[in-house]
Amino acid sequence: QPVLTQPPSASASLGASVTLTCTLSSGYSSCNVDWYQQRPGKGPRFVMRVGTGGILGSKGDGIPDRFSVLGSGLNRSLTIKNIQEEDEGDYHCGTDHGTGSSFVWVFGGGTKLTVL
Amino acid sequence: EVQLVQSGAEVKKPGESLKISCKGSGYSFTSYWIGWVRQMPGKGLEWMGLIYPGDSDTRYSPSFRGQVTISADKSISTAYLQWSSLKASDTAMYYCARWRAPAGGDFWGQGTLVTVSS
Repeated sequence: QPVLTQPPSASASLGASVTLTCTLSSGYSSCNVDWYQQRPGKGPRFVMRVGTGGILGSKGDGIPDRFSVLGSGLNRSLTIKNIQEEDEGDYHCGTDHGTGSSFVWVFGGGTKLTVL
Repeated sequence: EVQLVQSGAEVKKPGESLKISCKGSGYSFTSYWIGWVRQMPGKGLEWMGLIYPGDSDTRYSPSFRGQVTISADKSISTAYLQWSSLKASDTAMYYCARWRAPAGGDFWGQGTLVTVSS
């Protein structure tokens, strides 16, 4: 099954931009990935799904236009422009593998985003 | 409005049993999978499994198969996660989510904190 690798931490200044990466393990370049935001003390919130062609479907409820995604090779990245204090938190990526009774879902380790 | 409302925090002793719940509203409960996700203190997300309330078809992560049981009662739009014998290592926050398999969870519950301590 695929392994998703995320840097443990990232930081950006208020108003700046940041790109968070989620890297698929070798051989899984066709996988689609979901991004989730988890603010401190809160549950996960769906951000959007990304494939090699970019966003798949719609963004999650209330996700601002400042959030965008890109898919290239083994990387599925989430870019946040004009970072706000409310963007601070953990960002998780996840993907599916297998079908039917062998279906599994895999999460990356998460990236903690600090807004400076 | 899609909502998933989970049962309240639990404090249990090792060896005790537990069943937590997740009630869906604002959508057709029998038409989407419900997923369960564990988050241990200070750690990342771990997918535990899915259930399709329409026919109770279930999928488990190999890491959790045999450790927990996922079930649903479609008549009351509620999914469940249960343990027959809790361990201290089950201490975690547990989230349910509406799951759009093969995509992931798009609406999430508020979480249920389970604390297992003697």
